[in-house]
Amino acid sequence: TQLLEQSPQFLSIQEGENLTVYCNSSSVFSSLQWYRQEPGEGPVLLVTVVTGGEVKKLKRLTFQFGDARKDSSLHITAAQPGDTGLYLCAGANNNAGNMLTFGGGTRLMVKP
Amino acid sequence: EPEVTQTPSHQVTQMGQEVILRCVPISNHLYFYWYRQILGQKVEFLVSFYNNEISEKSEIFDDQFSVERPDGSNFTLKIRSTKLEDSAMYFCASRAFRTGKSGNTIYFGEGSWLTVV
Repeated sequence: TQLLEQSPQFLSIQEGENLTVYCNSSSVFSSLQWYRQEPGEGPVLLVTVVTGGEVKKLKRLTFQFGDARKDSSLHITAAQPGDTGLYLCAGANNNAGNMLTFGGGTRLMVKP
Repeated sequence: EPEVTQTPSHQVTQMGQEVILRCVPISNHLYFYWYRQILGQKVEFLVSFYNNEISEKSEIFDDQFSVERPDGSNFTLKIRSTKLEDSAMYFCASRAFRTGKSGNTIYFGEGSWLTVV
């Protein structure tokens, strides 16, 4: 069974601060996806990383896939209240119909 | 932008009743999934479906669950005899194709919130 551990589970910061969310596993994934989920809604895709060592930027968000494709991080620069939400990482395994294994999520609150 | 749509958004059902949750995946997608999320817990994989058959299923997806693609557009999840512990948000998802960078991405619907009483 593949597991993804996300840390921290909760993060409360002031507007303008930087933060990093980590997603770690002992398993190798074919790709890793980051989602943001609002209460009562489905996960909304932020980015997919596929290649070991890959870095993708989405405005103030920087995503990195570990060289061994076992871990990933999400870094937010100068966080804003609009970044508040639940961030989920999910690893995909091409050998298993690309089913996703989700981390437990990081609930971020950015205070003005 | 194309999206996965799900109905109903919320359903309340008596324990032991059958429930069908419906999904319209993104039109050119070939792989379809159901996931569920019990309140406050992780999103969990239930089943994947490709070429009109189940390709993978989890331990959660027991004999009470079934999936069907009755026509070219709908993808349904049926729970034959609901239990209290089936109360959860059920997400349908779809993916374009097997290989390639963009083909790895799975897109989720808004979810169907099922409450079993």
